[in-house]
Amino acid sequence: GQNIDQPTEMTATEGAIVQINCTYQTSGFNGLFWYQQHAGEAPTFLSYNVLDGLEEKGRFSSFLSRSKGYSYLLLKELQMKDSASYLCAVSDSNYQLIWGAGTKLIIKP
Amino acid sequence: ETGVTQTPRHLVMGMTNKKSLKCEQHLGHNAMYWYKQSAKKPLELMFVYNFKEQTENNSVPSRFSPECPNSSHLFLHLHTLQPEDSALYLCASSLESGGSYNEQFFGPGTRLTVL
Repeated sequence: GQNIDQPTEMTATEGAIVQINCTYQTSGFNGLFWYQQHAGEAPTFLSYNVLDGLEEKGRFSSFLSRSKGYSYLLLKELQMKDSASYLCAVSDSNYQLIWGAGTKLIIKP
Repeated sequence: ETGVTQTPRHLVMGMTNKKSLKCEQHLGHNAMYWYKQSAKKPLELMFVYNFKEQTENNSVPSRFSPECPNSSHLFLHLHTLQPEDSALYLCASSLESGGSYNEQFFGPGTRLTVL
């Protein structure tokens, strides 16, 4: 079957760095997405990786290793507004998105 | 504001009621999706429409009935629901379904409670 694993919850301190991991086993691979979802709001797109390596976008970076079935989202200089759930999703061989359950990130002052 | 709106935002209904959820996208996309989001579970894809044609129905019970009159509007008709159907129902759109880059834009969801 297809499976996406990510930690259920993480806690970090304002101003620090946090890495949220995602491992996947899917039938085919056509890219990996990270979305951010604040409580009660719509998920919003953060990043897309289809080739191995690191993609940097401001305070957020996303890394992909296709051979290891692994990705991480790196958040730097954490702010209170970064408290949210972070969803990892993989586009499979049919270009259908397979979703992880999300990682709830709690930022403490 | 993602360009995808959903109404109502909250809905409480009894098991014998009939109600409809509405989704509208203002992005010029051709694909629209219904997802169910339950606490601590992955998003469950329910239906996909591409150019108004239904292309996916992921074994969804018949008490959920989708309708896509045009590429901008999507409905989810509900009848005879069960308490376990209580969840957040998210609508999304993308340029089209399929294709290697398929960024989806989500609405804020309808929080459904079935009594």
